[in-house]
Amino acid sequence: QSVLTQPPSVSAASGQKVAVSCSGSTSNIGRNSVSWYQHFPGTAAKLIIFDDDKRPPGIPDRFSGSRSGTSATLEITGLQTGDEATYYCGTWDSSPSSGVFGGGTSLTVL
Amino acid sequence: QVQLVESGGGLVKPGGSLRLSCSAYGFTFSEFAMNWVRQSPGKGLEWIAYMSSSGRDIYSADSVRGRFTISRDNARRSLFLRMSSLRVEDAAFYFCARGGFCNGTGCYTTRSAMDLWGHGTKVSVSS
Repeated sequence: QSVLTQPPSVSAASGQKVAVSCSGSTSNIGRNSVSWYQHFPGTAAKLIIFDDDKRPPGIPDRFSGSRSGTSATLEITGLQTGDEATYYCGTWDSSPSSGVFGGGTSLTVL
Repeated sequence: QVQLVESGGGLVKPGGSLRLSCSAYGFTFSEFAMNWVRQSPGKGLEWIAYMSSSGRDIYSADSVRGRFTISRDNARRSLFLRMSSLRVEDAAFYFCARGGFCNGTGCYTTRSAMDLWGHGTKVSVSS
């Protein structure tokens, strides 16, 4: 069971938007910034959001993130079939000191 | 080209040992913290271990503590994971990941994000 809680799956129509939630606790999301990763099977994961809401170079502004309290949210607008992947939230947990991920959310673009 | 390349995976019997390596290219390895992350079949990403840029700070997951050891050689731009007392449930793809992020002013190390990942090396544990 993952330390951070994500819905197993989400879906939305092409061109629409979708939100992926990530719930944690005061020792992880409540204290440290959140990152989001896009993962296609058999490939290297890609960082798409860091520091709660910042995008690395090359990541389109269709991807955005936010954090409030002990929860974080990834929003993807203008959905494309190429966005179909599994998305993970991650952060650092201060007690005990460790990296933590959510269980992953599989995105289906209808 | 900025990349991480893992090696050393393979088939090992329960109770056996294995040493994974991760070679870094295209960036100043000694300036960044590094992590090992694994993905078991049908499951999500699981953080395994962290080592700071200097090697001074080390953290590992409860599931592997006492059995797995993370280390690095900055002169050789390499990260290692020594795995012993392997169990069937340790079978997974193992990824090394750089602890960092890049923005308009440069790239920086952090514990809260992993901005560069390798493609992974497969570890199978079976008798």
